[in-house]
Amino acid sequence: DAGVIQSPRHEVTEMGQEVTLRCKPISGHNSLFWYRQTMMRGLELLIYFNNNVPIDDSGMPEDRFSAKMPNASFSTLKIQPSEPRDSAVYFCASSSTRGDTQYFGPGTRLTVL
Amino acid sequence: GIQVEQSPPDLILQEGANSTLRCNFSDSVNNLQWFHQNPWGQLINLFYIPSGTKQNGRLSATTVATERYSLLYISSSQTTDSGVYFCAVPTQGGSEKLVFGKGMKLTVNP
Repeated sequence: DAGVIQSPRHEVTEMGQEVTLRCKPISGHNSLFWYRQTMMRGLELLIYFNNNVPIDDSGMPEDRFSAKMPNASFSTLKIQPSEPRDSAVYFCASSSTRGDTQYFGPGTRLTVL
Repeated sequence: GIQVEQSPPDLILQEGANSTLRCNFSDSVNNLQWFHQNPWGQLINLFYIPSGTKQNGRLSATTVATERYSLLYISSSQTTDSGVYFCAVPTQGGSEKLVFGKGMKLTVNP
């Protein structure tokens, strides 16, 4: 299997621009997770989906962040407008069943200038 | 919410040495996962171990759920073991939402 696929791997943008991160989970996995990793806050869950339905978005920092999962093989995390404090590595992960092992993608390193 | 503490925060070893990493958690859990983040940033799942002991090559893990801790053993360490090790537990029973510890940075020198 190809594993979890994320794109882009690196993104540099200017403050105020819209940023869209993409994720393709492992085929057959029912749960998808978006995480953010920073030096200050460590790894924190932003939102997760089960069977394409958002289950918990309490980690989404503010209204500038939104996530969608239109089908079982694709999800997006959008930041609009972006701010320098959004700079971080964003990971997508998936698992086959509820509470099972989570498999992480390679991450997207976002830099907002 | 549930608290996760890892120790030691940093560890430096010579190649070939053994090490034990500890993860304490503040409440009952039905799931615990260990991850390794390599120097290139990739997060790899090492173990899914809600209780008992599992082994995978030079690595093994033990979770004592009743005493709220888990241990990760690395034997005959290699430079490729370097990186940060995280443990993670659900925020509450049955939840898929994981809380990660702050991690333990391991450096294995040749």
